[in-house]
Amino acid sequence: EDKVVQSPLSLVVHEGDTVTLNCSYEVTNFRSLLWYKQEKKAPTFLFMLTSSGIEKKSGRLSSILDKKELFSILNITATQTGDSAVYLCAVEASGTYKYIFGTGTRLKVLA
Amino acid sequence: DAGVIQSPRHEVTEMGQEVTLRCKPISGHDYLFWYRQTMMRGLELLIYFNNNVPIDDSGMPEDRFSAKMPNASFSTLKIQPSEPRDSAVYFCASSLVGGVEQYFGPGTRLTVT
Repeated sequence: EDKVVQSPLSLVVHEGDTVTLNCSYEVTNFRSLLWYKQEKKAPTFLFMLTSSGIEKKSGRLSSILDKKELFSILNITATQTGDSAVYLCAVEASGTYKYIFGTGTRLKVLA
Repeated sequence: DAGVIQSPRHEVTEMGQEVTLRCKPISGHDYLFWYRQTMMRGLELLIYFNNNVPIDDSGMPEDRFSAKMPNASFSTLKIQPSEPRDSAVYFCASSLVGGVEQYFGPGTRLTVT
């Protein structure tokens, strides 16, 4: 059965800290992995990863994929209170355009 | 573009009633997805459409759930009869093509009492 597991489930840090969020997966015929940020409402897209070892960056956020070990990490440097959210990882399963979502990592950044 | 539009934003209904959720995808997007999000199960895909045709409905929990997409700019998700365990946030999302990032609507928070 296809599955996506995120860790940790929750995390509390102070402003300025660096955090690493993990996403491991088991899916048939992997094609892509997506990261989303969900604050109080709808998830908003962060990154799409398809190839191993190529880092995607956007400001203080970066992400990388390891297709051999079947995981991805999302790094956030110099965290700010505005980074507080649930971060979701989703993997396309079996080449079907269906994305399986992990349950998310809830990040809280304290001022 | 206004993004994905969903209505209503909140719905409270009694068990046994019919509930209809509505979605307008981003113009030009060929794929439309319906998700349900709960604390226990996270975000689950219910059904998705490509060019208005349902492609995979394996996530629809049971026959009480049905979805339609009569044209490229409108889709509905219907629950009849509703049950308390259907209480969740229902998201609609659309994408330009398959296998790329999806854009989510604001969601409909459904409460069935």
